[in-house]
Amino acid sequence: AQKITQTQPGMFVQEKEAVTLDCTYDTSDPSYGLFWYKQPSSGEMIFLIYQGSYDQQNATEGRYSLNFQKARKSANLVISASQLGDSAMYFCAMRESTSGTYKYIFGTGTRLKVLA
Amino acid sequence: NAGVTQTPKFQVLKTGQSMTLQCAQDMNHNSMYWYRQDPGMGLRLIYYSASEGTTDKGEVPNGYNVSRLNKREFSLRLESAAPSQTSVYFCASSERVGYQPQHFGDGTRLSIL
Repeated sequence: AQKITQTQPGMFVQEKEAVTLDCTYDTSDPSYGLFWYKQPSSGEMIFLIYQGSYDQQNATEGRYSLNFQKARKSANLVISASQLGDSAMYFCAMRESTSGTYKYIFGTGTRLKVLA
Repeated sequence: NAGVTQTPKFQVLKTGQSMTLQCAQDMNHNSMYWYRQDPGMGLRLIYYSASEGTTDKGEVPNGYNVSRLNKREFSLRLESAAPSQTSVYFCASSERVGYQPQHFGDGTRLSIL
């Protein structure tokens, strides 16, 4: 079974509109963390936002927010007021641990294209 | 601010050759990581080092070895390169393993013929 699932291979959004990128996860570790990274066409990986499994509030970082629904095991990224520079690949990732060993698992990504 | 520096940026090897990818960070981070990224896939963890002097296997460690040379440097070695190891390799670091975000280098594009 996939540990991290991103069901949207590609998304389009009009400039200045909001967009939601979906991510579902599966883990038996009660203390896990969820991350979102952006990978522009230039190739570097840029950290966007983090949500811990025990965090009560949804994480926010500027125009990025994480819609964390623990019972549904979803951690969707919301980008408000999209900009042309937001066009990139977006990866959801999870950190879990088993017997003191950490695992970092990435989804297959969603390619976002912002239209002018 | 250099952050995480990877060398080389590109490399072509022949099957059976050996190669060491270098990674250095200047953020005084305790934890360092090596990932590979294949087309159409997310990153997969090869090895990580939670702190100086320790290393642990990730999801895809076979065919690789690592060395945490000191707090700053974490190298990845391919002893006998195979075409299946053609990939983009990313090094990353974080303050400590677990809850902090990882800062990534720009990647090394490795082709094995």
